[in-house]
Amino acid sequence: AQTVTQSQPEMSVQEAETVTLSCTYDTSENNYYLFWYKQPPSRQMILVIRQEAYKQQNATENRFSVNFQKAAKSFSLKISDSQLGDTAMYFCASPFRGSNYKLTFGKGTLLTVNP
Amino acid sequence: DVKVTQSSRYLVKRTGEKVFLECVQDMDHENMFWYRQDPGLGLRLIYFSYDVKMKEKGDIPEGYSVSREKKERFSLILESASTNQTSMYLCASSLRPPLAGGTDTQYFGPGTRLTVL
Repeated sequence: AQTVTQSQPEMSVQEAETVTLSCTYDTSENNYYLFWYKQPPSRQMILVIRQEAYKQQNATENRFSVNFQKAAKSFSLKISDSQLGDTAMYFCASPFRGSNYKLTFGKGTLLTVNP
Repeated sequence: DVKVTQSSRYLVKRTGEKVFLECVQDMDHENMFWYRQDPGLGLRLIYFSYDVKMKEKGDIPEGYSVSREKKERFSLILESASTNQTSMYLCASSLRPPLAGGTDTQYFGPGTRLTVL
C-alpha cells in the first residue's frame, strides 16, 4: 500500500531553536509535488511548503525549508528560529500512486514550541 | 486567496439520522475532496470529485455518499449515521495538476467536528 511515514509522533523544541521533522514516502511517479501542511490547535490546515520533485534545489519559505533526497524518498522539514505560533500538528503528503488528483498523508507529527 | 468553507463547525446528530455536510470553494477548482481525521490515523480520503457530477471512492467510502451538482459545492452524506462516524471531517479543493503525473496543492476548509450519539 502507498505509505507516507512520519516517524516522530511528537516533538518539542525551545523557542528560537531549530527543529527537523522527518518524512519518507514511496511514490513512483516521475513528476510530482511533495507537501508539508500545518494544523494549529483547533484551526485550519494550511500549506507550509511545497517541493517540486524535478527541481534539485530545496524549497524555502522564510523560516521553513526542506531537505529533499529524491533517491532516498525522504522529505524533511526544517523550522529555524522556532516561534510559539509554530506549535501545531504537521503533516507530510505525497501523490497517491497513479493518481493525478489524490494525496496520501502521513499520520502527523505534533510539534510543541516551549517558551 | 482560496477560500474553502464548510457549513458547520460543530454538529451533533443521533444514530440513524441522515447527515449532510456541505463544502463550498470560491476559486473555480476542478477537484474537491472529503477526508476524515482521527487521532493517530492522520487524514483518510473518503471521496473525491474531479468534475461536476464526477466522483471516485477514496480509501474509506463505506457508509458515505457524495454529491457535486455545481462546481463550487461538494456535499458529503451520511445515509444513516453511526457512532463510529464520530470524527473531524475536512473538505479540500485543488486545481487540475499543472504537471503530468503531478497533483496540485490542496486547500482545506476549517473542518466539521461531527458527534454521533
